[in-house]
Amino acid sequence: AQSVTQPDIHITVSEGASLELRCNYSYGATPYLFWYVQSPGQGLQLLLKYFSGDTLVQGIKGFEAEFKRSQSSFNLRKPSVHWSDAAEYFCAVGVNYGGSQGNLIFGKGTKLSVKP
Amino acid sequence: DGGITQSPKYLFRKEGQNVTLSCEQNLNHDAMYWYRQDPGQGLRLIYYSQIVNDFQKGDIAEGYSVSREKKESFPLTVTSAQKNPTAFYLCASKESGYGRDTQYFGPGTRLTVL
Repeated sequence: AQSVTQPDIHITVSEGASLELRCNYSYGATPYLFWYVQSPGQGLQLLLKYFSGDTLVQGIKGFEAEFKRSQSSFNLRKPSVHWSDAAEYFCAVGVNYGGSQGNLIFGKGTKLSVKP
Repeated sequence: DGGITQSPKYLFRKEGQNVTLSCEQNLNHDAMYWYRQDPGQGLRLIYYSQIVNDFQKGDIAEGYSVSREKKESFPLTVTSAQKNPTAFYLCASKESGYGRDTQYFGPGTRLTVL
């Protein structure tokens, strides 16, 4: 079955430090992959997406993610975290065939806290 | 200003009542989705609609109903059959077509059962 695993429920980093949020997926075909961010009580905002091509994807707010097929991973990175990055981050894989075309399967999220 | 609106932002329901959550989009997207979010559970798909006058059950459709009479609107009714409806509800929409499988989300409605 298709699934997305975010192994870290909660991560705390110091402001200015680098960040890597992990995402592993299980999917039979070539996946569409997404990272979204959610501030408390808000909707989800798209950070970046991978459909095909270059495996290093640049997104908004200085984030990037790298698709590694051999590891079934799509980890999110940022070189220097800002206090405003504190939020919950969701990785998702898109179904790209059949009647469920376009549906998303979400991980359970990683909550990021930033220390001053 | 294009986007997805959800109303109300907060909704309180007494046990045994049906309530309807509104979702409207002016992005001219064909597909629309409803998700339920509980702490630590991620997002779970309730219903989705790929086109007007058609919709499909998601993973947790029991106790919910939807309609899709207009392209821009996809209301969700939480019925009294839903045993634990207190949650945050998110609506999303998406273009159709190859390479356009990106969902965009509304601001959400928080439903609380009193």
